[in-house]
Amino acid sequence: EPEVTQTPSHQVTQMGQEVILRCVPISNHLYFYWYRQILGQKVEFLVSFYNNEISEKSEIFDDQFSVERPDGSNFTLKIRSTKLEDSAMYFCASRTSGTTGELFFGEGSRLTVL
Amino acid sequence: AQSVTQLGSHVSVSEGALVLLRCNYSSSVPPYLFWYVQYPNQGLQLLLKYTSAATLVKGINGFEAEFKKSETSFHLTKPSAHMSDAAEYFCAVSDGTGANNLFFGTGTRLTVIP
Repeated sequence: EPEVTQTPSHQVTQMGQEVILRCVPISNHLYFYWYRQILGQKVEFLVSFYNNEISEKSEIFDDQFSVERPDGSNFTLKIRSTKLEDSAMYFCASRTSGTTGELFFGEGSRLTVL
Repeated sequence: AQSVTQLGSHVSVSEGALVLLRCNYSSSVPPYLFWYVQYPNQGLQLLLKYTSAATLVKGINGFEAEFKKSETSFHLTKPSAHMSDAAEYFCAVSDGTGANNLFFGTGTRLTVIP
């Protein structure tokens, strides 16, 4: 069964460092998403991406964040200068076209900022 | 804007007992509603979805949910809990437009007591 894969599963970084989280969405999917879940809190929408551009982004997704689909298979989330409050589980998701298409989630990348 | 509220951050049931996890939604347009499950150290897996067809929706692992517009609810039920149902359950809503972003509730942790 096709699945969304994410790397790394866990990354520890120092405050102020740049981090890139990588995702390989399901191959025939067209919409891509990043969500995050701070420990003990709800899953929060960060950004959606379609047709090589951002469709929507939340207030959380400020100038420190960027997304890219560099090679037609990977979908990356970059945090330029990490803060302590960026520590969270980051989930990538993808879906096919159509408005009722469910989102398929990866297993997440846990980011710990020290 | 869409949002969901999940009543009860923790629910405990005995094995074999009824599972009832509550979700109320707020949406300015007819909503699409979803229940996702998250097992420890795993990603989010879709249990079931409501997309304006039948109001009683059956999902995987014996779960079902009923869309009640008059109560703005989409509660998740299972007649008989199994130990393997212990997990975190998230209700989510989208408006089915654009990127179809999902907005999640705060989650309910289900504990099954042997």
